[in-house]
Amino acid sequence: DAKTTQPPSMDCAEGRAANLPCNHSTISGNEYVYWYRQIHSQGPQYIIHGLKNNETNEMASLIITEDRKSSTLILPHATLRDTAVYYCTPLQTGANNLFFGTGTRLTVIP
Amino acid sequence: GAVVSQHPSWVICKSGTSVKIECRSLDFQATTMFWYRQFPKQSLMLMATSNEGSKATYEQGVEKDKFLINHASLTLSTLTVTSAHPEDSSFYICSADSGTGGGYSNQPQHFGDGTRLSIL
Repeated sequence: DAKTTQPPSMDCAEGRAANLPCNHSTISGNEYVYWYRQIHSQGPQYIIHGLKNNETNEMASLIITEDRKSSTLILPHATLRDTAVYYCTPLQTGANNLFFGTGTRLTVIP
Repeated sequence: GAVVSQHPSWVICKSGTSVKIECRSLDFQATTMFWYRQFPKQSLMLMATSNEGSKATYEQGVEKDKFLINHASLTLSTLTVTSAHPEDSSFYICSADSGTGGGYSNQPQHFGDGTRLSIL
C-alpha cells in the first residue's frame, strides 16, 4: 500500500477555502485516493474519493494531479464545524482495508 | 446515507473483566466489518477484519485470543476484549463496507462513533 504524507496541522479562516494537500508518490495505478475526517472523539467520516479525475460532491472537491502522486482536498467555504483531523488514504481496487496515516489537523478560525 | 451504530459509547470497568462492543449496520448489509483502535493523539490502527460467517483476519501484533471477534449476521459484529487490563484502555472504532461484497466494491466505509474503553 502507498504511504502518504500530510502536513501535521493547518489553520483556515472561517468562510475561506481550505486546501489540504496529500502526497502519495508511491501510489499504484489501481489505488483510489480516499479522504476521511475525524472530529474529536467521533468516528471518521467519509468525505470523497477518486482515481484519476477530479471529483466534487456536496462536502468537498478533490483535485488529483495528472501523475497521481499528490492530491488536494478543497473545502470551499470552511466553517467552524470543519475543524477536524483530515486523513487521505489510498485503497486498492477490490480491497477494503483502510490504513490511516497521521493526517492533518485543520483548525478553522472565526 | 449508510449508518453504523456502535454500542456502548463508553465503558469503565475493573481490570480482569471482559468487555463486549457491538457494531451494527443499520440500513445496509455488511459482509465485512473492520475494527480499529486509537490511542490518544494517535491515528487509527486497524486491528482486524471481520467477515460474516467466517473467522476474522487479525493484523500483525493483535492477539486473536485477547480480542475476540464474532460476525454472526450481515448487520452485527462484536468485539470482546477479554480479561481487560489498563493498557487496553483506548478508543475502539468499527466500520462497515456498504458495497455488495465480492471484493470489487469501491464504496466508502462507514464508521461508528466509537467506544471509549477505560480499564481501572
